[in-house]
Amino acid sequence: DAKTTQPPSMDCAEGRAANLPCNHSTISGNEYVYWYRQIHSQGPQYIIHGLKNNETNEMASLIITEDRKSSTLILPHATLRDTAVYYCIVSGSSNTGKLIFGQGTTLQVKP
Amino acid sequence: SAVISQKPSRDICQRGTSLTIQCQVDSQVTMMFWYRQQPGQSLTLIATANQGSEATYESGFVIDKFPISRPNLTFSTLTVSNMSPEDSSIYLCSVVGTGQETQYFGPGTRLLVL
Repeated sequence: DAKTTQPPSMDCAEGRAANLPCNHSTISGNEYVYWYRQIHSQGPQYIIHGLKNNETNEMASLIITEDRKSSTLILPHATLRDTAVYYCIVSGSSNTGKLIFGQGTTLQVKP
Repeated sequence: SAVISQKPSRDICQRGTSLTIQCQVDSQVTMMFWYRQQPGQSLTLIATANQGSEATYESGFVIDKFPISRPNLTFSTLTVSNMSPEDSSIYLCSVVGTGQETQYFGPGTRLLVL
């Protein structure tokens, strides 16, 4: 499975956009980029995923570079409730859906 | 997304005993997984729960320690056997729905072994 690299921690001011980077330089052509978050030891919450194109949903936007070696999760207007650990994971059908979690990025949203 | 429940939500157990954790989904799902999250750590996949057959375990996890059942497409159990304090963790089940690409997680079971 492709490995990901994320900064261990980031801060963001409430109301501003939070941009969380992820490097996945060894991603394979059939692997998706998934983002999850975990708020204080709750079960991980699915945020968004994509293959090649940029994606947007009600929670966030996912920007994937053209070479697919990196991506950015954007929370457009961060709130205090977005404080969590954010995990970037690459996974594809070749590994039967298993998710390999790294250490993630701890996002602290500050008032 | 599927609604996933786990029982118990938390427990405190004595070393040497065993605990069975249940995972129930409100709809039939293709795949079910069990993860462990040790204190301060990220999630680690324990095994894939296969319906009607033996689970597929990841490196470092064995059936004798973590027996898993999946009798149907909506239910699975994970047993933590002969527990020691090192088994104190959050145990989470996750599912992938039929025809879906996304994995959803249950709320977790918080286990403390004394």
